[in-house]
Amino acid sequence: AQTVTQSQPEMSVQEAETVTLSCTYDTSESNYYLFWYKQPPSRQMILVIRQEAYKQQNATENRFSVNFQKAAKSFSLKISDSQLGDTAMYFCAFMKQGNAGNNRKLIWGLGTSLAVNP
Amino acid sequence: DTGVSQNPRHKITKRGQNVTFRCDPISEHNRLYWYRQTLGQGPEFLTYFQNEAQLEKSRLLSDRFSAERPKGSFSTLEIQRTEQGDSAMYLCASSFGNGGNEQFFGPGTRLTVL
Repeated sequence: AQTVTQSQPEMSVQEAETVTLSCTYDTSESNYYLFWYKQPPSRQMILVIRQEAYKQQNATENRFSVNFQKAAKSFSLKISDSQLGDTAMYFCAFMKQGNAGNNRKLIWGLGTSLAVNP
Repeated sequence: DTGVSQNPRHKITKRGQNVTFRCDPISEHNRLYWYRQTLGQGPEFLTYFQNEAQLEKSRLLSDRFSAERPKGSFSTLEIQRTEQGDSAMYLCASSFGNGGNEQFFGPGTRLTVL
């Protein structure tokens, strides 16, 4: 069974600074996807960034980038130039690749609550 | 708004009552998921549909829970004889295709069982 661990329940960062959120996972699969989702207070879950395990290049989306270390089973999220709107719960999630038609369910960590302070 | 919608947004019920939630996915999405999220936790998978077929149901889902997706469109999640432990946020998500595509989430239905 796959598990996802986020070891930082809460973090804070000053506006405009950089913060890194940690995520580790455990799987015996070789092909899979990893995601970071953001859940702002009282708002719905939205995708921040996605990484395919077969790609060595780390994914980037504007101010968001990941450090994907497949051998170490580590998938950290770096947020640069933090903004007040980045305040949210951040969830790391794992999806097995499997075969077409298979369940693409997400397996989630417990989340990290990030507060961006002015 | 063409995103995933869920109704109702909030539901308060007494223990023992039945409740039903509805999810309307993005129209061209063939996959639909239900997750449950309790306070301070990440979401947990409940069940999954590909088109109208329910292909997997979590062991977390007791016999009191049932879900349907008639004609592969909207989905309903029914909880019979609710218990206080059912209090949670119920999230619906949809996606398209067979790859590791993004799941788009609805706003959730928050259930409180008194």
